[in-house]
Amino acid sequence: DTAVSQTPKYLVTQMGNDKSIKCEQNLGHDTMYWYKQDSKKFLKIMFSYNNKELIINETVPNRFSPKSPDKAHLNLHINSLELGDSAVYFCASSQENMGRVENEQFFGPGTRLTVL
Amino acid sequence: DAKTTQPPSMDCAEGRAANLPCNHSTISGNEYVYWYRQIHSQGPQYIIHGLKNNETNEMASLIITEDRKSSTLILPHATLRDTAVYYCIVRSLNQAGTALIFGKGTTLSVSS
Repeated sequence: DTAVSQTPKYLVTQMGNDKSIKCEQNLGHDTMYWYKQDSKKFLKIMFSYNNKELIINETVPNRFSPKSPDKAHLNLHINSLELGDSAVYFCASSQENMGRVENEQFFGPGTRLTVL
Repeated sequence: DAKTTQPPSMDCAEGRAANLPCNHSTISGNEYVYWYRQIHSQGPQYIIHGLKNNETNEMASLIITEDRKSSTLILPHATLRDTAVYYCIVRSLNQAGTALIFGKGTTLSVSS
């Protein structure tokens, strides 16, 4: 009964390939996020979606394309992978009804991407 | 950039209270203080948050100064499993989907 799940957990691939990471949450949340944690352990937001609408799109190469088929899923597709894309990618979700004060984000276990 | 400043590392003996400080001198009136932690190789985990009053839950207590420019996370009886990186984050709730802006955090090492 994992709250936020990601697949795969590990992904090793060659430069230039296209890959996808899937994220699903069973919490009934309306907002989902993708964060990237690089080798220096800095966690940075990439995207956020609220009710399937893109809210945040940080300075991320357009090789990265998030797709939200429904409120429970936010997948990350990466084209033409580069060495610098190697990192751990975390998906998260939260419930963002205005006026609530909870809004804590629940994170998935992460996907470790290694580009060779 | 993160709006918070934390010491890079702290040590704590098992069973003792761990007090983790955080400075957020530029915090706005509508911004909350959140604490998360990241245990090695896992996703960040929510601990607690507050606006201006002190807060307590089953994991920790949060003490916010009256001027809201700093706060302290207290783990009352630290265990070895509390060894992690602790992040203090200020976040506005005015817009849905607002991201968490992580700084470098404090690496807490709990030893027996």
